[in-house]
Amino acid sequence: GNSVTQMEGPVTLSEEAFLTINCTYTATGYPSLFWYVQYPGEGLQLLLKATKADDKGSNKGFEATYRKETTSFHLEKGSVQVSDSAVYFCALSEGGRRALTFGSGTRLQVQP
Amino acid sequence: ETGVTQSPTHLIKTRGQQVTLRCSSQSGHNTVSWYQQALGQGPQFIFQYYREEENGRGNFPPRFSGLQFPNYSSELNVNALELDDSALYLCASSRTSGRSTGELFFGEGSRLTVL
Repeated sequence: GNSVTQMEGPVTLSEEAFLTINCTYTATGYPSLFWYVQYPGEGLQLLLKATKADDKGSNKGFEATYRKETTSFHLEKGSVQVSDSAVYFCALSEGGRRALTFGSGTRLQVQP
Repeated sequence: ETGVTQSPTHLIKTRGQQVTLRCSSQSGHNTVSWYQQALGQGPQFIFQYYREEENGRGNFPPRFSGLQFPNYSSELNVNALELDDSALYLCASSRTSGRSTGELFFGEGSRLTVL
């Protein structure tokens, strides 16, 4: 079956530091890949996505590249802000139905 | 704000009871999916409803059931509650056209505690 593995948190960074959150996946076909973010007290929000190999998703300074050869979709941001503190979930879906398989989440804490 | 509303936001039940959670989908959306998010874990897919029928199911027992209404709102019902059912239940709405479903928009969830 499908699965998503992401690095355990919490990840604690100082403001303006570089962020990488690793995500690897296992899928039987050619999935679409997503990063969702969950801010404290809020619902899940789609951060970015990529639907095929070598696609780069980007939003709000975050980016991730769909690497089929390494089955990875690592999330990066060049300079984090305190407001980026949240839990980040990597996810995949296969087929047209969009049932998502999520990783366990990585909590990011950015200190001023 | 996604336009997906869930109720109640919090509730407490005891083992063996039954619970119904409700979800109103975003305007223009015709598909509803439900997810269970245990504390410290990622959401797990329970099932999806389209055209008032179950359109896919994850690895959850039959005591998890649902409904979708003609206005596309949805209910999640859980019978014979167990302690492990304590979780945040997330509803997501989307638009299905043909064989493809678009982006999911999540509500803020209903937090269920089973004592």
